[in-house]
Amino acid sequence: EVHLVESGGVVVQPGGSLRLSCAASGFTFDGYFMNWVRQAPGKGLEWISLINGDGSITYYADSVRGRFTVSRDNSKNTLYLQMNSLRMEDTALYYCAKDTAGSPDYWGQGTLVTVSS
Amino acid sequence: DVVMTQSPLSLPVTLGQPASISCRSSQSLVYSDGNTYLNWYQQRPGQSPRRLIYKVSTRDSGVPDRFSGSGSGTDFTLKVSRVEAEDVGVYYCMQGSHWPYTFGLGTKLEI
Repeated sequence: EVHLVESGGVVVQPGGSLRLSCAASGFTFDGYFMNWVRQAPGKGLEWISLINGDGSITYYADSVRGRFTVSRDNSKNTLYLQMNSLRMEDTALYYCAKDTAGSPDYWGQGTLVTVSS
Repeated sequence: DVVMTQSPLSLPVTLGQPASISCRSSQSLVYSDGNTYLNWYQQRPGQSPRRLIYKVSTRDSGVPDRFSGSGSGTDFTLKVSRVEAEDVGVYYCMQGSHWPYTFGLGTKLEI
């Protein structure tokens, strides 16, 4: 069974940095692209990043490009999101999601990032 | 970016009755490989999203057959043949044919 567990979400001040992690199990991790998708409180879904299986190709939404970096450690079956220069509008529940057939299929439960002074 | 426009944004339904959600994209979603990467997600209250349908009309494993997807080009529809209480939640369409992936604003289905 696919299992994705995000962690690392905390309250951080504007301009601060944070690294999120997503521990994966139940599938061949390095065989799949992985996504980060976020959801601001009471709002809809916003895709923010995708990484291929070996970590050599990454994609970002304009809203985070240059501030966020996605990476993965296939030896640890773990996906990461390094978040720098955080803004109040980055406050959201951050989900990691496995990608199959060109879209996120299985999602974790999310980890909450709050950017506030 | 491709804009995904869903309608209605709120959908009151009666148990046992059908429901339909429309999703229109600002550009054709036919990808260069011939596939159309239009997907539907369900988010029940307090839960993570769950993919129901991918590539317009293929149901994910475990998704009841009362859910169906159709459409082509820029115009797509999710149908629920007979709404059940467990179907309450927000439904999102999402396109994966153009970067970046984009979601619709969501349709809240309520009994």
